[in-house]
Amino acid sequence: DQQVKQNSPSLSVQEGRISILNCDYTNSMFDYFLWYKKYPAEGPTFLISISSIKDKNEDGRFTVFLNKSAKHLSLHIVPSQPGDSAVYFCAASRNFGNEKLTFGTGTRLTIIP
Amino acid sequence: EAQVTQNPRYLITVTGKKLTVTCSQNMNHEYMSWYRQDPGLGLRQIYYSMNVEVTDKGDVPEGYKVSRKEKRNFPLILESPSPNQTSLYFCASSSAESSYEQYFGPGTRLTVT
Repeated sequence: DQQVKQNSPSLSVQEGRISILNCDYTNSMFDYFLWYKKYPAEGPTFLISISSIKDKNEDGRFTVFLNKSAKHLSLHIVPSQPGDSAVYFCAASRNFGNEKLTFGTGTRLTIIP
Repeated sequence: EAQVTQNPRYLITVTGKKLTVTCSQNMNHEYMSWYRQDPGLGLRQIYYSMNVEVTDKGDVPEGYKVSRKEKRNFPLILESPSPNQTSLYFCASSSAESSYEQYFGPGTRLTVT
C-alpha cells in the first residue's frame, strides 16, 4: 500500500521555465512533508520541508505547497537550471519526527538547456 | 567534513552467506536509519534507531537485523541473504533538534545470486 505517491515517473522542462513536481498521500495522520533530491551514485539530500500547519514554504528558487484537503503537495522550482536535473522524492512523517519517513517512488526531472 | 559513510559500496554475494553493511556518522546524531531503494518502489525504511540501544522496525524489516551499540555506528546485518534482497541500500542520520533533515550515505549496491 503506497501511502505516498508520485504519479509522474519523469518530467522534462526547458531551462528557465518552472518545474512542478507533484505528490499525493493517503494517510491523514501525516503532519510533516519533505522533498529530497538525488543525483546518480549519491545519497538523497534534503531540499525543503513543510509542516501541516502551513500551506506554503519558500526557500530561494524552491517552493513547496501543501493542500491538506486534497492530500496533495507540490514542489515548484523557478527558474529551472540544468543542475536541477535529478530524481526528486517526496516524503511524509507523523509526529514531526523523522523516526519513520515514508517516501514516494520519485520523479526524474530533466532540465533541457 | 560531516558525513555518513557506508561500506562496502558494492557487494556481490551468494544466497545464505551472512553479510554486514557498516554505517558510520561523524555528526553525533541521535537518529539513524536504513533504507532500501528499488525501482518503482522508491525508498523504504528497513529499521531505525532513535539512540544507542534503541531500535525499531520500519516498513520492510524481514530478513534484516540491526544493532546500535555506539552512537556513531549502525550496521545492517543480513543473516541469510536471498535474491529478493538485491537492492540499493542507504544509511541515514539526523539530529534530534533537526530530525527531519536526514543526511544520507552514498549507498551500497548489493547483489545476491
